[in-house]
Amino acid sequence: HSALTQPPSASGSPGQSVAISCTGTSRDVGAYKYVSWYQQHPGKAPKLMIYDVNKRPSGVPDRFSGSKSGNTASLTVSGLQAEDEADYYCSSYAGSLHVFGTGTKVTVL
Amino acid sequence: EVQLVQSGAEVKKPGDSLKISCKGSGYSFSMNWIGWARQMPGKGLEWMGFVNPVDSETRYSPSFQGQVTFSTDNSINTAYLQWRSLEASDTAMYYCAAHTTDGVFDYWGQGTLVTVSP
Repeated sequence: HSALTQPPSASGSPGQSVAISCTGTSRDVGAYKYVSWYQQHPGKAPKLMIYDVNKRPSGVPDRFSGSKSGNTASLTVSGLQAEDEADYYCSSYAGSLHVFGTGTKVTVL
Repeated sequence: EVQLVQSGAEVKKPGDSLKISCKGSGYSFSMNWIGWARQMPGKGLEWMGFVNPVDSETRYSPSFQGQVTFSTDNSINTAYLQWRSLEASDTAMYYCAAHTTDGVFDYWGQGTLVTVSP
């Protein structure tokens, strides 16, 4: 189970949108609806932002949205705010195990 | 309120054994998988594996198979991550997470920092 592939970094100005990709295979991202996204600020525990590809937990702003096409999932953050600057990780069920993405550092310019 | 509270930071020497804990509250601990994740200094998250408190079934990611042991004590709603012989390369932050929604680990502990140094 190799790590899912994410771009190392992404950036945008306040108010803009940024999209992060998460590329897996037909044995993980492409096979299941169980793709989730986590936000992690420095020194903090991960926080769930998206699950089941495009569902938001209670309390997560609707600026965060998710989608999937084939073996690639995406997280879009619209209307970027300063507090969105963080590391983001995708995770997918891979048949008995889960696997994380390599992580993307989002910078708000 | 769902909470996972992990045990405190540890400083150990190579060859030492260690068991860290993760206590759940606010949900049905014994009915939901617990996952363990590692984050080495300055690096990304890695799933180490999972334990099912219902029947103690364990699933280890290939990189961690044989290196660590997961267990639970349902009488005190606590999960454990254990090493028999630590190495310097085990220095990392370790997180537990609860699987209370199908297909996702939605609640996380605060993390336990393990430092292994001669």
